Amino acid sequence: SQKIEQNSEALNIQEGKTATLTCNYTNYSPAYLQWYRQDPGRGPVFLLLIRENEKEKRKERLKVTFDTTLKQSLFHITASQPADSATYLCALVTGGFKTIFGAGTRLFVKA
Amino acid sequence: DAGVIQSPRHEVTEMGQEVTLRCKPISGHNSLFWYRQTMMRGLELLIYFNNNVPIDDSGMPEDRFSAKMPNASFSTLKIQPSEPRDSAVYFCASSLGGTANTGELFFGEGSRLTVL
Repeated sequence: SQKIEQNSEALNIQEGKTATLTCNYTNYSPAYLQWYRQDPGRGPVFLLLIRENEKEKRKERLKVTFDTTLKQSLFHITASQPADSATYLCALVTGGFKTIFGAGTRLFVKA
Repeated sequence: DAGVIQSPRHEVTEMGQEVTLRCKPISGHNSLFWYRQTMMRGLELLIYFNNNVPIDDSGMPEDRFSAKMPNASFSTLKIQPSEPRDSAVYFCASSLGGTANTGELFFGEGSRLTVL
């Protein structure tokens, strides 16, 4: 069956450290993969995407990798800040822009 | 632009009642998505439209759920009759489709539904 798995446990890190979140998937062939941020009581907000033929993408303090052989994406936040505390969702985009989300990982950054 | 607008923001109703959730996508966007979010099941895709046409409704739980998009600027999600297990936050999202675009979704603030 098709699955998207993200770390179910919350991730607690110290300010200034790098947060690394994982997204694994099975039985999908995504055209690309997106990452979103969701704050409590709000809708998800798009952060960045990586295409199937790209290995790595960066945007400011964010870095995403995509390994289509391992069927895995890693999402890194460098020099993390308390304001980065939120839930981070990965999403697979398949043909026709059908977009399926993982359950998300909660990140807590302690000052 | 005002972004994706959903109404109502909160709805409390009794089991068996009809519920209608509304969504106005961002002007110019040609894809519209309805999702449901719960703690147990995360963010589930219910249905999505391209150019007002339903493309995939395989996520719609059962016949009690229906969605329409009569024009490019309006969509509804209806639950009739509602049940307590329908309690969730329902999100609408829109995007600018086409192969030249990223398919980035713009979400509304959600409609929190409680069925007693």
